[in-house]
Amino acid sequence: DVQMTQSPSSLSASVGDRVTITCRASQTIVTYLNWYQKKPGKAPELLIYSAFTLQSGVPSRFSGGASGTDFTLTISSLQPEDFATYFCQQTYISPFTFGPGTKVDI
Amino acid sequence: QVQLQESGPGLVKPSETLSLTCSVSGGSITSYYWSWIRQPLGKGLEWIGYIFYSGSTNYNPSLKSRVTISVDTPNNQFSLDLKSVTAADTAMYYCARHPSASATKFDFWSQGTLVTVSS
Repeated sequence: DVQMTQSPSSLSASVGDRVTITCRASQTIVTYLNWYQKKPGKAPELLIYSAFTLQSGVPSRFSGGASGTDFTLTISSLQPEDFATYFCQQTYISPFTFGPGTKVDI
Repeated sequence: QVQLQESGPGLVKPSETLSLTCSVSGGSITSYYWSWIRQPLGKGLEWIGYIFYSGSTNYNPSLKSRVTISVDTPNNQFSLDLKSVTAADTAMYYCARHPSASATKFDFWSQGTLVTVSS
């Protein structure tokens, strides 16, 4: 299976901060990497797919990057509604696998 | 807007079968792939498997011997059966939609339902 790791596992930030989360795949997944946001009691929300593409309706302060097997999710200016858990997912190789998540709090 | 909602027992006894149904509203179940995912408390997400509306399936090898996913196209829903459950199967269970079998994105998810395995 493709192992996905994320760093950091948690971070504390303030409104307006620039935040970057990293996800690393254990082997090549090309750019078939998705990012999701999860808030307690709510359905996960797709933010970025195929490493770079912003899902329709998602604010442009979210962006994705890639270099080899390293992927990043950047929030350019953290907003109050962005405090949540973020996780990555690869869908290049079955079984699909997820990163353990990064909790962003105040 | 597509919405997914799980239904099923929140408590299952060890060795029995966990059965959940995911009902899809706001869109058709046809032409899409539908997955089940779970997350044990305090642990990461685990993909269980998917079904295409035509009935073809793909399961995670770690659960393949115990999992059956089926689809009910006329009623716009699909189901998960996980047999011979143990406490390790206690988790939040989610269903999700994706447009292709791989190299894809899970664009709509359910809120999740907690299933506890306990006598």
